[in-house]
Amino acid sequence: ETGVTQSPTHLIKTRGQQVTLRCSSQSGHNTVSWYQQALGQGPQFIFQYYREEENGRGNFPPRFSGLQFPNYSSELNVNALELDDSALYLCASSLHRGPNTEAFFGQGTRLTVV
Amino acid sequence: KQEVTQIPAALSVPEGENLVLNCSFTDSAIYNLQWFRQDPGKGLTSLLLIQSSQREQTSGRLNASLDKSSGRSTLYIAASQPGDSATYLCAVRDDYKLSFGAGTTVTVRA
Repeated sequence: ETGVTQSPTHLIKTRGQQVTLRCSSQSGHNTVSWYQQALGQGPQFIFQYYREEENGRGNFPPRFSGLQFPNYSSELNVNALELDDSALYLCASSLHRGPNTEAFFGQGTRLTVV
Repeated sequence: KQEVTQIPAALSVPEGENLVLNCSFTDSAIYNLQWFRQDPGKGLTSLLLIQSSQREQTSGRLNASLDKSSGRSTLYIAASQPGDSATYLCAVRDDYKLSFGAGTTVTVRA
């Protein structure tokens, strides 16, 4: 059984550019959530996808968008990058979207915006 | 809005000492609570999951308690080892999302 995998592991982008981060969920998991973790802080919820539809969103602007594919893998897209977008982006998958579920995280993508 | 606080922010102990990490949350209407471990620059490893109806959960040297009514959880790590050095995060689930504390960074000195 493979765990949650994210790509790439590191990325450097210039302010104003666009970026796409990818996540493969754990086998059998149909729900994917994305989190942003700034240095020294706890992760902040960006959004969740369940069966290819957005199921909930945190306090992030519309330039943060996502997709989920039929195989339950997911992408996080960020447009018009700002310096404050520099962070560790974490993907988590869950067996289902129910409230009692356990979340399993990937190793993260470290994004640096210069 | 759910606020999660972890105290202390950092902790340094000699090898063999027991660790006690605290987590508090403001809204008791949670479904479950998870404790995670994070090594520097890495992702999160799930340590323990406590459902809202449970009082505690154990795995090896780890034991976590939950007092939902008072908005508190405690993670106990028995007989600490240098390999336990990491940041420990607690997170509470309210419906679809997790709300995290900022973590407690633990250093176990050999």
